Formats: sequence, C-alpha cells, structure tokens
Amino acid sequence: GAVVSQHPSRVICKSGTSVKIECRSLDFQATTMFWYRQFPKKSLMLMATSNEGSKATYEQGVEKDKFLINHASLTLSTLTVTSAHPEDSSFYICSAVGEKLFFGSGTQLSVL
Amino acid sequence: LAKTTQPISMDSYEGQEVNITCSHNNIATNDYITWYQQFPSQGPRFIIQGYKTKVTNEVASLFIPADRKSSTLSLPRVSLSDTAVYYCLVGDWGGGADGLTFGKGTHLIIQP
Repeated sequence: GAVVSQHPSRVICKSGTSVKIECRSLDFQATTMFWYRQFPKKSLMLMATSNEGSKATYEQGVEKDKFLINHASLTLSTLTVTSAHPEDSSFYICSAVGEKLFFGSGTQLSVL
Repeated sequence: LAKTTQPISMDSYEGQEVNITCSHNNIATNDYITWYQQFPSQGPRFIIQGYKTKVTNEVASLFIPADRKSSTLSLPRVSLSDTAVYYCLVGDWGGGADGLTFGKGTHLIIQP
C-alpha cells in the first residue's frame, strides 16, 4: 500500500535553533500534503496545506515565518521550525493526498 | 466544513464486536468518510473508507446510512492491541484542506 515516510522520528534541539522535518510519499505523487501538530492526549490540529510548486496555505493562528513549508517536488514536503523555543515542542505529523489520505509516522520535537 | 462528533471514550472486552459511531450532519456531496486508528506517538493509520452503504475489508466494516449524516465503524472480535484512538474524517481530499479537521476521536479501551 501507499506509504508516507517522515523523518526524523524524534529530535531534541536547543532553544533558538532550527529544525527541518521531511515528509516523503514513497510510491505515489502527492500534489498536496498537509502538516499537523498534536499535543499529548489531544487531537491533530491542521497547521498548513502544502502544494507542490506554490506557497503553502496556513491555518489561522499559525505563524508562516515560524513554520516554513517547502514542497519542491511531487514526493517531498519539508517543515522547518525556525528559531525553535520550548513552546514549539510537540508531535508533528504530515499527510499526503494520494488515492486516499495517508499519514507519516510523526516527529516528536523537544526543544530544550 | 463537515464537523464530526464521536463518543470521547468506549470500553469493551477481548473477542467482542465494537461499533463506534460518528455524526457528520453537514457532510457534502463530494465528501468521503474515512476512519483512522492512532496509537500514542504514531501517525494515524488508515482503517477503512466509504461513500455510502457498507464497506468491508480485512480489519473492519463501515456502515453508512442513506442520508450519510452518520457512519459506524465496526471492529469484529477486538483484541488488546485494538486499544487506541479512532478518528473519523470527512472530506474531499481533492478540494484542499476543507473538511480535513480532526474531531476529538474516540479512545477505545479493550480489557482482557
């Protein structure tokens, strides 16, 4: 079946550094990918829609300069958390639109 | 935007059939209904998708009444490993991010 690969699965960084998370569709092309954020015991919150070859669309309240999204190819979207701070610590999940909507395995970001 | 409502939690026992119902009163004509399973610190895993009537695969069945305002995920003979959060997602993936808002999900707890 279709697979979405997300990397890294876990990252720990110092406050003020930037972290890049990759999301790849392994066996299908995804014009559209989505990025979500999830806090412990809470549901997934849509952060932004990533469209190949164009600017991402951010949900209300999500800072586009903080969460940079690049979707340079039909199989890869990246989310960069810039100048990360402890409040950015969270579980980040990507999804890709293929025949169905498939999700990556998630990235646990911990900012010290 | 098709908002979904599910029970917050459910309990059952190994070997039982579990039915989880999701309400989506303002589902749109082009919307599909998809159910996902999520374990802690993992991305949602696709279970089943349908548009109307009944769909069955190797792990679950999905029942959708004629008015499509609700859907029921049926898990036959559950085991301890089925303890997870289950989300129903209603939307048209080709239509962008509309409808890709997750509800709170149902925390299913299976006991021996």
